[in-house]
This record gives sequence, C-alpha cells and structure tokens, in this order.
Amino acid sequence: GAGVSQSPSNKVTEKGKDVELRCDPISGHTALYWYRQSLGQGLEFLIYFQGNSAPDKSGLPSDRFSAERTGGSVSTLTIQRTQQEDSAVYLCASSLGLAQSTDTQYFGPGTRLTVL
Amino acid sequence: AQSVTQLGSHVSVSEGALVLLRCNYSSSVPPYLFWYVQYPNQGLQLLLKYTTGATLVKGINGFEAEFKKSETSFHLTKPSAHMSDAAEYFCAVRRLNTGFQKLVFGTGTRLLVSP
Repeated sequence: GAGVSQSPSNKVTEKGKDVELRCDPISGHTALYWYRQSLGQGLEFLIYFQGNSAPDKSGLPSDRFSAERTGGSVSTLTIQRTQQEDSAVYLCASSLGLAQSTDTQYFGPGTRLTVL
Repeated sequence: AQSVTQLGSHVSVSEGALVLLRCNYSSSVPPYLFWYVQYPNQGLQLLLKYTTGATLVKGINGFEAEFKKSETSFHLTKPSAHMSDAAEYFCAVRRLNTGFQKLVFGTGTRLLVSP
C-alpha cells in the first residue's frame, strides 16, 4: 500500500512568516511522529500522537511550534514566525501504535524547509 | 536518559570490501535497537532491528548487526559493499517495555563506496 506522504517536498519562506507542513500517515496507523533533521543537530524528536491520547510534545523546541492531528489521520506541523534556525528537513513517521517490539516506524520523504 | 554514539561521520570503503559501521548506546535498561538507512533526498528506511531473542540480527540488502550487551554496542556490518550501499546510516534506540515510542538517533554515518 501507499507509504507515508508529506507535502510540500520543499518550502522556502521568509523569516517571520508562518508555515504549515502536512503529513499523511499509512492507513490504519494510529501513531504518528514528527522529527527534525538539521545540520549540527542530527535527527530530533518533536512530537508524538497516539490515537486519542494527549500528544507528547516534549520535543518541540519552542512555543512557535505546534502540531495537530485531525480525525486520527492527517497531521499538520505549524511553525509560526519562522527563524533561520528553523531551516531543516522535517520528517514524519507513522506506526501501528503497538507498545510491543514489533512496532516499526515508517518514514515519509520529508519536507525541506528553508527560511531566508 | 538514552543516547546513541556513532563513531565516524564518514566511512569509505571499496566496492567488495567489508562494511563496518559502529554504534554504541547508553541506556539504563536494555533498549530496542534499530538501524535506518537514508538515500539522497529520501526518507529513512528500516534496515533491521533488535528487540529480544537472537543477538545477531539480519536485515535487508545483506546487512546484519549484533547486539552485545557487555559492550553496549550494535555495530552494523555487510561482508561485501556494493555501490548502491552509498547512503547515510542511522542507529537508533527506543526504551524497552514502555508505551513511549520515541526514537533517539545517533548523528549518522555517511558510507562512501568507491569502485
């Protein structure tokens, strides 16, 4: 079946603008994750959604970052008042949401964000 | 707290040579361990994972990794490199037996394969 999809694939914005990044998880996956991949910081966890539970936002770097997941499927990551240090590749992943060892995260191709 | 250390940001091998990418982890309890591969302009793809049971894990594309608890290591190997193996490789850990699914990644190792 279809994998995790993300849009846009590339986004160039000006400092101070807001951006929205979209993630479509694999159908049937109840867990959804956002990670950020940037030079010097590697891959960082941002936020985790599991079913109807309150999301784990412990990785969000500032209050300019927020995410929501509507209807337990599509997720949107919003960055307000973008800064140059927000430039990175934002990766989304989804999984079945099992607490067992068999739960594997499947990643999308990412959105490359460039803040000028 | 968990952490992952990947020794060597770049590893260069010749085609047909042994590939060895090193990963050491730090965790208060034995974690789940993963290797992911990222090809240029693509997302991460799972190569293999260790959860419980046999400590030698075989993955896709001829890769394997061995969990050594005494050395807190999970090194990735492949007997014979192929040009198509050129990519960036990430080791990751996840806490065992919790509902918390966050992956903690190493900084990655870029594998360069020369003819």
